[in-house]
Amino acid sequence: DGGITQSPKYLFRKEGQNVTLSCEQNLNHDAMYWYRQDPGQGLRLIYYSQIVNDFQKGDIAEGYSVSREKKESFPLTVTSAQKNPTAFYLCASKTTRDSYEQYFGPGTRLTVT
Amino acid sequence: KNQVEQSPQSLIILEGKNCTLQCNYTVSPFSNLRWYKQDTGRGPVSLTIMTFSENTKSNGRYTATLDADTKQSSLHITASQLSDSASYICVVSGIGNNNDMRFGAGTRLTVKP
Repeated sequence: DGGITQSPKYLFRKEGQNVTLSCEQNLNHDAMYWYRQDPGQGLRLIYYSQIVNDFQKGDIAEGYSVSREKKESFPLTVTSAQKNPTAFYLCASKTTRDSYEQYFGPGTRLTVT
Repeated sequence: KNQVEQSPQSLIILEGKNCTLQCNYTVSPFSNLRWYKQDTGRGPVSLTIMTFSENTKSNGRYTATLDADTKQSSLHITASQLSDSASYICVVSGIGNNNDMRFGAGTRLTVKP
């Protein structure tokens, strides 16, 4: 999984609770990403960050929030405003904004009941 | 409509056989195309990366081809093994906005003994 760790692997929450997913990388990559993966669909971009203290919304940012206080860390918070939060969440990183190779973490399976 | 379409959606083959997965895209202007292998419950792992000028790229028993004129790519797997059972994802990036990466829904390959 290329030096990217996500924790926990499985996460269970009650509806209405906020939950934070961890993503850490030791690859010294500048850019980091959060994706959501649902069955039968391609990965969809939630948020991305190209530099510390800066991040941009992706295609499906509503109901999510992120922070990038350190280069190595890019946590994702799934808020109670997210209508359908149950999914597989993947974190990824790239060396620079212009590089082609993107490395993925092992993913976190979030189940909200 | 997704800008990256993969076919077939799923495929079952016998161990030792070859197979070819297809990826058609409409992303334009084109920058690069990547194939990933994703085991169930894990993060995607890169197999090949091809830019506009490359027609073919190999990685062991995996060979990817690219026809930028027809906007088609294929991934050929030779002498399949049980460990090839996974989802194979095609990702196409456009020029200009480095975060405009479009993911196909994947092909689910099952290799049976």
